Amino acid sequence: QVQLQESGPGLVKPSQTLSLTCTVSGGSISSGSYYWSWIRQPAGKGLEWIGRIYTSGSTNYNPSLKSRVTISVDTSKNQFSLKLSSVTAADTAVYYCARDSTYNWAYDYWGQGTLVTVSS
Amino acid sequence: DIQMTQSPSSLSASVGDRVTITCRASQSISSYLNWYQQKPGKAPKLLIYAASSLQSGVPSRFSGSGSGTDFTLTISSLQPEDFATYYCQQSYSTSITFGQGTRLEIK
Repeated sequence: QVQLQESGPGLVKPSQTLSLTCTVSGGSISSGSYYWSWIRQPAGKGLEWIGRIYTSGSTNYNPSLKSRVTISVDTSKNQFSLKLSSVTAADTAVYYCARDSTYNWAYDYWGQGTLVTVSS
Repeated sequence: DIQMTQSPSSLSASVGDRVTITCRASQSISSYLNWYQQKPGKAPKLLIYAASSLQSGVPSRFSGSGSGTDFTLTISSLQPEDFATYYCQQSYSTSITFGQGTRLEIK
């Protein structure tokens, strides 16, 4: 059973860089045809896709966030990471990591989510 | 970006009711449409993928249909555990987008 777990600071200051890591267990991050994604959800609002990284290392980003986002993978640690630069209060949200596959093109595994607050 | 519009935004229904939620895409997305259920404080859960395929372990009272730009999620007989928020999501484009959500409440 694949499991995903987000980790990282819960509080980030405005203008700084938000950094989160997703640890994957129950399977290798580099095996199979999978995309590893980040999705966020401000309190009381809907889901916003941030971006994803493929097993091969190629990436896709939300055009509205592209200039500030970097997603990378560390296969030796079975982890992938999110960096979001120049954050503001509008970036305060629960951040989820999730997996989708080229089999069903849907998010079948999710982390539990981690709340990141941007505040001085 | 492909815009996904769900209707209604909220819905009140009773246990045993048949409920339908609609999702419309701003352009054709073939059958690259997924449905999720989210309960407060929890991650979304995949219900339906590829417009009409039931995810393993999901009760058969959930069904999906549609292709192109118009899609529906139907719950044939509402159960108490079905009261939640539902999201559609398109995976046709390399820039993935979600609908704004439909909150299903108890009448």
